Amino acid sequence: QKEVEQNSGPLSVPEGAIASLNCTYSDRGSQSFFWYRQYSGKSPELIMFIYSNGDKEDGRFTAQLNKASQYVSLLIRDSQPSDSATYLCAVNIVKPGSARQLTFGSGTQLTVLP
Amino acid sequence: DTGVSQNPRHKITKRGQNVTFRCDPISEHNRLYWYRQTLGQGPEFLTYFQNEAQLEKSRLLSDRFSAERPKGSFSTLEIQRTEQGDSAMYLCASSTGQRRFYGYTFGSGTRLTVV
Repeated sequence: QKEVEQNSGPLSVPEGAIASLNCTYSDRGSQSFFWYRQYSGKSPELIMFIYSNGDKEDGRFTAQLNKASQYVSLLIRDSQPSDSATYLCAVNIVKPGSARQLTFGSGTQLTVLP
Repeated sequence: DTGVSQNPRHKITKRGQNVTFRCDPISEHNRLYWYRQTLGQGPEFLTYFQNEAQLEKSRLLSDRFSAERPKGSFSTLEIQRTEQGDSAMYLCASSTGQRRFYGYTFGSGTRLTVV
């Protein structure tokens, strides 16, 4: 079992719709959770982080965390073609001797259709 | 410069040659990380520095790979005797040493092609 799993997609949504991206993780000791956006050929860019159970909203983005289910998601409201990218889920899996190392999923490719 | 800087952006090398990449982190960040990313995969952790000390290395970092961070400033990643399987994007990231962890800032990466 991978430490961080994402549906690889591709996920296509029409412009203006809600895109829902999901991620599960295996280590119950994980403390913090991140979503990165990566455009083709570019490096990852941090868009959201969440530490506590529940929802966290930032503009059109909402991160949701459920530690009991070991599940984190990202909702993108009013999706725009410029949101078309690969979205990477990253988890701070706490290991002995390891500090603040992020473990990434393989990413979900999102396409927003005009 | 307020971002993480990586050089070169692209490197094409012949199999068996040595290559070296450089990363300049955000100046106030004392933690520096190297990751490798292949097509269709997420970044994979290679190694981590806190100031000048290399505190963690992944098993992905074979003995052909070496990383340094002299004086806790810039870092270099060297690959000796490159193989075609080394072709990937090499990403450097940095973060602060604050108690609360707000994630990494990545550089633009160095894309290595071994022919």
